[in-house]
Amino acid sequence: DAKTTQPNSMESNEEEPVHLPCNHSTISGTDYIHWYRQLPSQGPEYVIHGLTSNVNNRMASLAIAEDRKSSTLILHRATLRDAAVYYCILSLATDGNKLVFGAGTILRVKS
Amino acid sequence: NAGVTQTPKFQVLKTGQSMTLQCAQDMNHEYMSWYRQDPGMGLRLIHYSVGAGITDQGEVPNGYNVSRSTTEDFPLRLLSAAPSQTSVYFCASSIRDNPGETQYFGPGTRLLVL
Repeated sequence: DAKTTQPNSMESNEEEPVHLPCNHSTISGTDYIHWYRQLPSQGPEYVIHGLTSNVNNRMASLAIAEDRKSSTLILHRATLRDAAVYYCILSLATDGNKLVFGAGTILRVKS
Repeated sequence: NAGVTQTPKFQVLKTGQSMTLQCAQDMNHEYMSWYRQDPGMGLRLIHYSVGAGITDQGEVPNGYNVSRSTTEDFPLRLLSAAPSQTSVYFCASSIRDNPGETQYFGPGTRLLVL
């Protein structure tokens, strides 16, 4: 299984930017980087994904290192509703749409 | 669109009982899958389907059966429940079996096996 490494937990102040790091040193050239989040007592929710270039959407930005061995999820202004577990997942070209979830990063947002 | 729906929301079973967890999606997605999540852990893939009539095993398939007779529905069957199957079960779907596709998850079914 493709491995990702994330910090166990992070803390942020409300309305400040949050940078959630992820290491994926075994990534192959055609593997996608996905981020999902899981709010308490809910199913995972898609946040963003990318292949090589940085990506932006209404929820977040994804910054991918030039060698693709790491990436950073950026929440531009954290709100209390962003408190969740954030999962960085590699979707392997050889494995179709299977997602392998690690333990993720617990994000706590302080008011 | 209702998205991905799951029933029931919560179920208590006795060891040895059988039950079916229902999952349906109204987005005409080809790919559907079942995950389980144990306390404090990430999700693990049980079974998946790349289209009607096609199913395959994931990481933790033992004790579970699936079928995919229609595009919309992907039920998960527990033939003889065991306490080790106490977990939260999530169904997910995506347009197709492609590593770049977004997956949409249901709200989950909480299962307690006594």
